[in-house]
Amino acid sequence: QLQLQESGPGLVKPSETLSLTCTVSGGSISSSSYYWGWIRQPPGKGLEWIGSIYYSGFTYYKPSLKSRVTISVDTSKNQFSLRLISVTAADTAVYYCARFSYGSGIYWGQGTLVTVSS
Amino acid sequence: QTVVTQEPSFSVSPGGTVTLTCGLSSGSVSTDHHPSWYQQTPGQAPRTLIYSTNTRSSGVPDRFSGSVLGNKAALTITGAQADDESDYYCVLYMGSGLGVFGGGTKLTVL
Repeated sequence: QLQLQESGPGLVKPSETLSLTCTVSGGSISSSSYYWGWIRQPPGKGLEWIGSIYYSGFTYYKPSLKSRVTISVDTSKNQFSLRLISVTAADTAVYYCARFSYGSGIYWGQGTLVTVSS
Repeated sequence: QTVVTQEPSFSVSPGGTVTLTCGLSSGSVSTDHHPSWYQQTPGQAPRTLIYSTNTRSSGVPDRFSGSVLGNKAALTITGAQADDESDYYCVLYMGSGLGVFGGGTKLTVL
């Protein structure tokens, strides 16, 4: 059964870089059938799509975050990662990693809370 | 920037039928946007209900159905139950492997 597990620091200081990794088990990140993505949800607010990556390395970012976001994939480790620079309190959120395709909907990780605070 | 619109809140009586919608600030929603729907209860990760406009995810009761109605995507709950009280989000794909979430609808069953 497919499992997606987010990992990374739960606390990041303002102006620093948020880094998260999603480890995929029960499926191959090299599958041409799916995209892999990051979605976040600030406390008490709605869901926000951050960006996506295809196994080939093609990336797609939300325009308003594009200058600060990098998503990368490591096929040898069956992982993909999120890097968000120059964070502020507004980046405090539960971060979900996900697998999706147009024809399958979103398969969600359990999510991890990242707090930006000094 | 594309804005996906949803009703902020909706109320339905137990056993009743409700239709939540998902639109675009500019333009019409079509099946080419591959609309999908997600249910979220507090403290939990979202659950996939519907994808590709009208395909129910595994294990989703058939009281949930998806469609395109007019210029919007729609999620219809027929015979609402108390545990349907949740937040509901739609996603539209704008091409290029990037989705956009609607703002979510808080559904109350009372």
